[in-house]
Amino acid sequence: QKEVEQNSGPLSVPEGAIASLNCTYSDRGSQSFFWYRQYSGKSPELIMFIYSNGDKEDGRFTAQLNKASQYVSLLIRDSQPSDSATYLCAVWSNDYKLSFGAGTTVTVRA
Amino acid sequence: GAVVSQHPSWVICKSGTSVKIECRSLDFQATTMFWYRQFPKQSLMLMATSNEGSKATYEQGVEKDKFLINHASLTLSTLTVTSAHPEDSSFYICSASQDVTNYGYTFGSGTRLTVV
Repeated sequence: QKEVEQNSGPLSVPEGAIASLNCTYSDRGSQSFFWYRQYSGKSPELIMFIYSNGDKEDGRFTAQLNKASQYVSLLIRDSQPSDSATYLCAVWSNDYKLSFGAGTTVTVRA
Repeated sequence: GAVVSQHPSWVICKSGTSVKIECRSLDFQATTMFWYRQFPKQSLMLMATSNEGSKATYEQGVEKDKFLINHASLTLSTLTVTSAHPEDSSFYICSASQDVTNYGYTFGSGTRLTVV
């Protein structure tokens, strides 16, 4: 599997603040990039995906992709306690497989 | 949207027995499905790629004779853990995609396997 690295965390932010999650990947041939949220004991659920350089916004979430730097990030604005979870960065390459980072655990303090 | 159903949600079995986990795509056909394993506080590790009508492709280090995968139809893949041992206890999750570029991958709800 290709290498995907995330900032180690855990990340603790106050309610209403912005949570910033980072991810780098090793395979320059990677085409699509995904952010999943995983609550404890549950399977991952897709939050966003991005495949073009730049920003993509969906509600309180913004994904940012820089292929030249092999970097993808996720911003969570107006963080809520319900956002407390582990966030997984996943990268899809030409081998049709998803490679996951180790995840960053986010805790939103009320 | 694409829905992937996985059963059972949890299972407890005795050491030495076999356990079958089912993964179904409910509203789309999936020629390829993926099986992952996740140990506590670790990320998802791809075990194998399940291909409809052909043999599964296993990742390095995964024993194909222990983790039997059958993808007999376009909507069903099964993972059988044979001769299970306590170290096989883990969270097993399947995934599939209707259109990865536009919809990403959808995961099943996962199966918590405990071998006693």
